[in-house]
Amino acid sequence: RKEVEQDPGPFNVPEGATVAFNCTYSNSASQSFFWYRQDCRKEPKLLMSVYSSGNEDGRFTAQLNRASQYISLLIRDSKLSDSATYLCVVKPGGDDMRFGAGTRLTVKP
Amino acid sequence: EPEVTQTPSHQVTQMGQEVILRCVPISNHLYFYWYRQILGQKVEFLVSFYNNEISEKSEIFDDQFSVERPDGSNFTLKIRSTKLEDSAMYFCASGEVGGTDTQYFGPGTRLTVL
Repeated sequence: RKEVEQDPGPFNVPEGATVAFNCTYSNSASQSFFWYRQDCRKEPKLLMSVYSSGNEDGRFTAQLNRASQYISLLIRDSKLSDSATYLCVVKPGGDDMRFGAGTRLTVKP
Repeated sequence: EPEVTQTPSHQVTQMGQEVILRCVPISNHLYFYWYRQILGQKVEFLVSFYNNEISEKSEIFDDQFSVERPDGSNFTLKIRSTKLEDSAMYFCASGEVGGTDTQYFGPGTRLTVL
């Protein structure tokens, strides 16, 4: 099992759609979880941290299920500007951040 | 908004040459990191640095690599005797607090080894 596994996509959705991404991780001792977004040939940018209680930031909702070692990201009312690659990131406990390969999203008019 | 900066944005070098990639972390951050991303692949951790010493490094970060904080603002990654497979995007990141705190990435340096 990969350390951090994501569906690579691509997800092609129309504007206004709701889209969900999933991520699984292998290290049950992992402490911190994040979603980053990466535009083509750019740096990863923090989208949101993921907490056990779940958290929401505007149109974005993240959930963590520690028992299943599963993280999700829900994007509501998709915008053209949401087109990017979404990276699931897990910190096993030290400084080392483990990145998934990313899920590519394209939002079309 | 403060940000991490990196120079150069693109570095081309011949195989076997040494390169130094430079980063200026966010000013009040204490933890510094280097990552790399080979084209089409995932982002990979190289090294973390705190209190003027390496705190963690990955298996990628072998004797070919070194890091330094030569002054109060710069953080550098040196790659000795570059190989073709060192071609990648190198990202610097910084964070206020280690452990669970988030990391903020610079725009990256694209290294091309010919």
